[in-house]
Amino acid sequence: DAGITQSPRYKITETGRQVTLMCHQTWSHSYMFWYRQDLGHGLRLIYYSAAADITDKGEVPDGYVVSRSKTENFPLTLESATRSQTSVYFCASSESGTGGRNEQFFGPGTRLTVL
Amino acid sequence: AQKITQTQPGMFVQEKEAVTLDCTYDTSDQSYGLFWYKQPSSGEMIFLIYQGSYDEQNATEGRYSLNFQKARKSANLVISASQLGDSGIYFCALENSWGKLQFGAGTQVVVTP
Repeated sequence: DAGITQSPRYKITETGRQVTLMCHQTWSHSYMFWYRQDLGHGLRLIYYSAAADITDKGEVPDGYVVSRSKTENFPLTLESATRSQTSVYFCASSESGTGGRNEQFFGPGTRLTVL
Repeated sequence: AQKITQTQPGMFVQEKEAVTLDCTYDTSDQSYGLFWYKQPSSGEMIFLIYQGSYDEQNATEGRYSLNFQKARKSANLVISASQLGDSGIYFCALENSWGKLQFGAGTQVVVTP
């Protein structure tokens, strides 16, 4: 499928388990992002990547790990899930980082519930 | 530190009326961008409009226009002739010089017949 996809779309897990959320884009965009959306907070940046093997922290990185070995994939791992990580997670990509209208294209989101 | 504020948590709008959604921001960057996204009830994020800090004219995209007042640090979205399909949550976002987006809390818009 063309565009940006996320899997799974829904996930229920238990406290302490490791969870990986997948993100795949077909545009060969350099930049990729992970956000979480919680009521009252809008979207908050967890991690972003400017290119393969280049990642950096966003606003709320604690408890999350990312990797980017290939341009098209940007998985997000919760090493030991906590209830506070219950959220909707969005992956996004953009052609370049800054310097003009570099809109970010968003995936459909993953709704994660940690029990 | 950057800050972006949407003070209207929600509003009702009658079909065919215009609506203004408020967004104020604070940044020390000289070069930055402002984005508006819409999130309909289906949950996806849809890009609406972009304004660069050095753009001299207010951005327009169809029925969407941005009232950019740089000195006041505001970037209000104006939707003309609202339609039922305009219902959703509208997010203002500030892009810093590193390309990171910071989102406001959003404004829920409900368009009524």
